[in-house]
Amino acid sequence: EVQLVESGGGLVQPGGSLKLSCAASGFTFSGSAMHWVRQASGKGLEWVGRIRSRANSYGTAYAASVKDRFTISRDDSKNTAYLQMNSLKTEDTAVYYCTRGSSSDFWGQGTLVTVSS
Amino acid sequence: DIQMIQSPSSLSASVGDSVTITCRASQNINNYLNWYQQKPGKAPRLLISPVSNLQSEVPSRFSGSGSGTDFTLTISSLQPEDFATYYCQQTYNSPLTFGGGTKVEIK
Repeated sequence: EVQLVESGGGLVQPGGSLKLSCAASGFTFSGSAMHWVRQASGKGLEWVGRIRSRANSYGTAYAASVKDRFTISRDDSKNTAYLQMNSLKTEDTAVYYCTRGSSSDFWGQGTLVTVSS
Repeated sequence: DIQMIQSPSSLSASVGDSVTITCRASQNINNYLNWYQQKPGKAPRLLISPVSNLQSEVPSRFSGSGSGTDFTLTISSLQPEDFATYYCQQTYNSPLTFGGGTKVEIK
């Protein structure tokens, strides 16, 4: 059974940093691209970024709203993807989901990030 | 960036009705189009990828069509469990982009 479990969310002050994790199981993690998607309360879905597999040189891409502040990485030995978030803004407050592949055929349960003073 | 315009943003329908949601891309996305369903407090669920290919365990009352820039999601004979918000997404180019969503409510 495919499972994605996000962790690391919480309350952080504006300008602060937070690192989210996405632990994967039930599929060949090393062969899959991993994506991050966020959703502010009562709002729609926003794609954050992705990291490709080793076969695709671990290529990353980001939404303009997070580029140069957020970094996606992965550790295939731990079947885990990460989202490092720096210089956080109040508008980054959202539930963050990790998903598998560009079709996002599996989603985690999400982790809430709240940026507030 | 490719813009995805979904319409309507909301609709009211009754159990048994047929509904259609449209999604228009700002440029040709070569059929790299997914549809998701999201219920309150839950993660989205992939319904169709790409365009018309139903995912496993998705009921056959859901169907997708379209090409180029214009796509539709049709739900024939709405069931109580279908009342939710639906999103389209293009995966042709980064940044991947979602439509604004269509909330299907009970009339």
